[in-house]
Order: sequence, then structure tokens, then C-alpha cells
Amino acid sequence: GENVEQHPSTLSVQEGDSAVIKCTYSDSASNYFPWYKQELGKGPQLIIDIRSNVGEKKDQRIAVTLNKTAKHFSLHITETQPEDSAVYFCAAHPGGYGNKLVFGAGTILRVKS
Amino acid sequence: DTAVSQTPKYLVTQMGNDKSIKCEQNLGHDTMYWYKQDSKKFLKIMFSYNNKELIINETVPNRFSPKSPDKAHLNLHINSLELGDSAVYFCASSPGQGEREQYFGPGTRLTVT
Repeated sequence: GENVEQHPSTLSVQEGDSAVIKCTYSDSASNYFPWYKQELGKGPQLIIDIRSNVGEKKDQRIAVTLNKTAKHFSLHITETQPEDSAVYFCAAHPGGYGNKLVFGAGTILRVKS
Repeated sequence: DTAVSQTPKYLVTQMGNDKSIKCEQNLGHDTMYWYKQDSKKFLKIMFSYNNKELIINETVPNRFSPKSPDKAHLNLHINSLELGDSAVYFCASSPGQGEREQYFGPGTRLTVT
């Protein structure tokens, strides 16, 4: 089955700097890669996703890149703000009926002001 | 106008008791899920229902029984609660099965004493 590894486990950046979180996956059949942000005491919130037919996707200050050959994908947050502080999860889905979304272990992002 | 809602938010109970968590979504989605988040924040799927049909049933003790009375509701009943059941349980929904975006509820923190 699919296995997703996420690094780093914690990341501290200064306000205004960029943050990058990286994930690798094992199942070459995976074709959908969402990123979730979880704030304290809340449920995971979908912030951006990418499908295997696209190499990069951007939404304001966040972007995701995908390298299918190397089986890794990354989340980039530019101009970080204190409200970006949260736990971020990557995930991968091998597609098809009956398969499941597999999550990475999460990255605690702290933005220092 | 909450998209995915869960009740209760907190649940404190003693070992051996039976409890239920309710979930409702008003997004018109066909697929609903239950996830468990452990103390290390790791998110793992437990069950998935598509149009009231059980699609995914991970290696979960028989004490856990999901019930979907209709497409908009997915409840989780837990019998004979154990200390190890303490976790945060999230309900989620998506427009369909497979590689589709999932939207999470706010979570239910279950504490078994």
C-alpha cells in the first residue's frame, strides 16, 4: 500500500520568510496530492491540491510542486505570517474506487514575529 | 452554514461504556469518512461510505460500528470503550469516491478514563 513520508517534522521561520515542506510517496499509481492545514483544536482544512497531470499549482502565497518521476511533492509558503502557524499534512491517493487517502505525519510550522 | 458538523465536540467517559458520535454534512456529497487522529497527530482512515454503502473498512476493532442512515449522515458507535480509544475522531466528506477533495469536520475529542 501507499506510504507517505513528510519532512521536516517541525519548522520555525521568521515572519516574511518562505517555508518549504517536502513529502515523498511510494505508490507510483498515486495521482492526487492534497495539502491540509490544521489549527489548534480544529479539523484539517484543505488549502491546495495537485493532480498528476500538473507539475505546479499556485494560489496566492502558497504553491505546490510535483515530481512524479522522483515521487515527491512539496508545499511552498511565501511571505509567511503568524497566522500561517499550524500543523500541515500532505497526503496521496492512488485513485480509483475503494482506495484511501494516505497522510504524512505532519509538520508543525511556527512563524515568529 | 457549517459544511461538516460533528457532535459532541468533547466526550469523556469510563472504560467499558458505549458511546456514539454523530456527523452531518450539508455539502450534498456522496462519500463520508471517519478518521482517527492519535496523540502524535497521525491521521488514519477508519471507514468510508459511498451512498450509504460501506467502501473502506480498515483494520478497526469490531467494537467500532459506523452507521449511515442517509447520504448526509454518518455516525460512529463504539462499544466497550478502552483506554486506547482515546483520540480525536474526525468525520469528512467528498463529492465522490476516489481521488476527490475531502472536507473535514471540527473533530470529537474522546477521552476514556
